[in-house]
Formats: sequence, C-alpha cells, structure tokens
Amino acid sequence: EAQVTQNPRYLITVTGKKLTVTCSQNMNHEYMSWYRQDPGLGLRQIYYSMNVEVTDKGDVPEGYKVSRKEKRNFPLILESPSPNQTSLYFCASRPDRTSGTSETQYFGPGTRLLVL
Amino acid sequence: AQSVTQLDSHVSVSEGTPVLLRCNYSSSYSPSLFWYVQHPNKGLQLLLKYTSAATLVKGINGFEAEFKKSETSFHLTKPSAHMSDAAEYFCVVRAVGGSGAGSYQLTFGKGTKLSVIP
Repeated sequence: EAQVTQNPRYLITVTGKKLTVTCSQNMNHEYMSWYRQDPGLGLRQIYYSMNVEVTDKGDVPEGYKVSRKEKRNFPLILESPSPNQTSLYFCASRPDRTSGTSETQYFGPGTRLLVL
Repeated sequence: AQSVTQLDSHVSVSEGTPVLLRCNYSSSYSPSLFWYVQHPNKGLQLLLKYTSAATLVKGINGFEAEFKKSETSFHLTKPSAHMSDAAEYFCVVRAVGGSGAGSYQLTFGKGTKLSVIP
C-alpha cells in the first residue's frame, strides 16, 4: 500500500531535549516536505527536499533541521525543542514535477508534539 | 510569490442545504489549486484539484470547485451537506511555470471549519 508513515504519532518532551520525528514513504517520490499545523494558521512549510542530499528552508525553518540521506526517509530534527514548537506536524511526499502525477501530494498521519 | 485567502474561518450549515467555502488566491504564474479536507484527529485528504484543464472540477463526496481566473477564486461547493462533511477544509495553491524550488511549494490557506447542523 502506497503510504507516508511518521513516528512517533504522539510525543511529549521537555524543553531542550533533542528529538527526531521520522518520515518514510514507499512510493519512490523525489519531493518530500515537513509542515506544522497550528490553529488558525493552516499548514506552514518547515523544510522541503527535492531529492537525496537536496534540502531547503520553507516558511518557518527556525529551530528545525532535516536530512535526506536516502530517498525514502526525511527525518525532522529538533535540536533544542521549545514550547513554541508544540504543534501538529505533517510529512508529505510527491513525485518529481516532470511526472504526470506530480500534482498529488501524499500526507502522513501527523505527529502531535507537546514541548513542556 | 503566491498566497491563499480563505474568506471564512467558520461556516455553519444545516444538513441538506448547500455548502459554499470561499477561496481567493494570488500567484505570479499559472496556478494549480487544491482543496484538502481534514476530519477531526485525522490527516489530510485531497478532495479535488485544478491543473489547467476544465475549470469546473469535480471531487470526491459530491464536492466541486470552479476556477475563475478573472476573480482569482476557487470556491468549493456541495449541493447538499451531510453530517459527515463536518471537518476543516484547506484551499491550497501551487505556482506552475516558475523555475527552481519555488515551483514545488504548496501554500495553504488558514482553513475553514465546516459545521453541519442536524
């Protein structure tokens, strides 16, 4: 089954304790991205990656890092989490823009993070 | 540059009555436009998309949207609301025709919560 998976789905942590949220897709997609969703703000893009070893900042990258060492995985790293990073996080993937199906973006189920 | 404005943060309709969720966009290039739905405690599901083909787009669950370039709008409609339509809806734009990374990026509206009254 084609899907984007995220782990963990729920996480409670404390300020300053490094954490990683994993994202994996099994569709051989080139493009992957991370969003955070906050009430009244919709989804805002944190980072994206156009392919292996190619990443770039989205609209709200401060306090986050990413890496893309393999095509299928795109982990989101919070080196020193703060309470303002409490949010719902979504990973997404889509094929390359030259693909006929490049318009459809697939979302993971979300990771709800609480930073105390 | 691109942006999306969802004109209503909350819409409430009675079951069986029409639904209208409004969305206006701006884009430097020809846009692709999408509507996503998010049910409570669920992920995002694609409802429908416009990618420069027919301007009236039909999606899942009886929803449709019309792309109006002159009005820069992409409003979502449904003739008759059902209780299961209660959810949050997001209008999304992607600029097509730009070069580089910007042409990959989706810009989300802030969302419209749809309530359906029995």
